[in-house]
Amino acid sequence: QKEVEQNSGPLSVPEGAIASLNCTYSDRGSQSFFWYRQYSGKSPELIMFIYSNGDKEDGRFTAQLNKASQYVSLLIRDSQPSDSATYLCAVASGAGSYQLTFGKGTKLSVIP
Amino acid sequence: DVKVTQSSRYLVKRTGEKVFLECVQDMDHENMFWYRQDPGLGLRLIYFSYDVKMKEKGDIPEGYSVSREKKERFSLILESASTNQTSMYLCASTLDRDGYTFGSGTRLTVV
Repeated sequence: QKEVEQNSGPLSVPEGAIASLNCTYSDRGSQSFFWYRQYSGKSPELIMFIYSNGDKEDGRFTAQLNKASQYVSLLIRDSQPSDSATYLCAVASGAGSYQLTFGKGTKLSVIP
Repeated sequence: DVKVTQSSRYLVKRTGEKVFLECVQDMDHENMFWYRQDPGLGLRLIYFSYDVKMKEKGDIPEGYSVSREKKERFSLILESASTNQTSMYLCASTLDRDGYTFGSGTRLTVV
């Protein structure tokens, strides 16, 4: 059974701080990694994806991947109250696989 | 932007009814998925399809079936609804490996 683990939170950070969200996965053959944001009562929306070891930056968001440690993280710089949401980590296993296994999500609260 | 439309936002059905959840995408995506999302359990894959008339079971297919007669439409069928199928149902589609686009979801209550 492929597993994706996240701390459920809630993770509380003050406005303007860096929020760090972490995710581990069990399938060493995993190829693609995704972060989704889900506001309460809404559907998930894609924030970033990463395929290669290292960092990938997009605006205030940075995804970090370490395949040796089976670890992926999301950093949110200059956190805003509008970033308050549940963040879902998702993993696709195997070459050409489009099926995603999701973690249960980490709830982030940004305190003004 | 890709649009994935789920026909109903909220649905209430009786135990034993046959229930159809419809999903339509407008970007010619080949790959479509049905998930359910429950508190504490996260998103779980029910069925998926990589092409017209093609379907594959996900992690929790029991009690469900699907239909894909046209590329843009992927339907989830609850053959005989039960109370443990009360959930948020999310449809998603993708063209390639760059992540899904989700529909707005259908919150189904079975009474």
